[in-house]
Amino acid sequence: GAVVSQHPSRVICKSGTSVKIECRSLDFQATTMFWYRQFPKQSLMLMATSNEGSKATYEQGVEKDKFLINHASLTLSTLTVTSAHPEDSSFYICSARDPGSGGESYNEQFFGPGTRLTVL
Amino acid sequence: GEDVEQSLFLSVREGDSSVINCTYTDSSSTYLYWYKQEPGAGLQLLTYIFSNMDMKQDQRLTVLLNKKDKHLSLRIADTQTGDSAIYFCAETYSGNTPLVFGKGTRLSVIA
Repeated sequence: GAVVSQHPSRVICKSGTSVKIECRSLDFQATTMFWYRQFPKQSLMLMATSNEGSKATYEQGVEKDKFLINHASLTLSTLTVTSAHPEDSSFYICSARDPGSGGESYNEQFFGPGTRLTVL
Repeated sequence: GEDVEQSLFLSVREGDSSVINCTYTDSSSTYLYWYKQEPGAGLQLLTYIFSNMDMKQDQRLTVLLNKKDKHLSLRIADTQTGDSAIYFCAETYSGNTPLVFGKGTRLSVIA
């Protein structure tokens, strides 16, 4: 199946700094990517839908000025956590679908390995 | 709104079958997924089923869908210690819309 990568896999930063997380589709082009957040021992919650060439669509309760999403190309979406605080510590996961795939794979959403953010 | 419910824990003996259950509320759900998450790792797609199917089998995995009751189950035959993980049920309307996840079922396999 298609591969989605994330970088970095782990990041530790000081409170008040900004952190950028990259999500890449390695062997396909993704016009839409999704960003999820997972708290310890909890489910994944959708944060925003990242659309190539246009503004991201944020879920209710997600601060767009705090979680900046840029989908500048068909293979890369970035999530920047601005002025990070300890409560932003979480596991961030992106996903994408390969619209060019055929058969059953057409409806699969592929997830990145996740980025664990720890804010001190 | 949309909601997906799962039991939180399941413990089985190695070699037995595991059955993880899931219920959802959105009647327009078209695709229903099962993902596996090992500690500290991302999500691994195990299988998914279209809403117009009743059953899908893939090696040790069997997915059953009761659309009337909005109930989905994942059966793992001959459960192994390597199957210990959290299993998430998820649903979506189309392949290009975000998934709504359940809280996950933590499967513990006892040797």
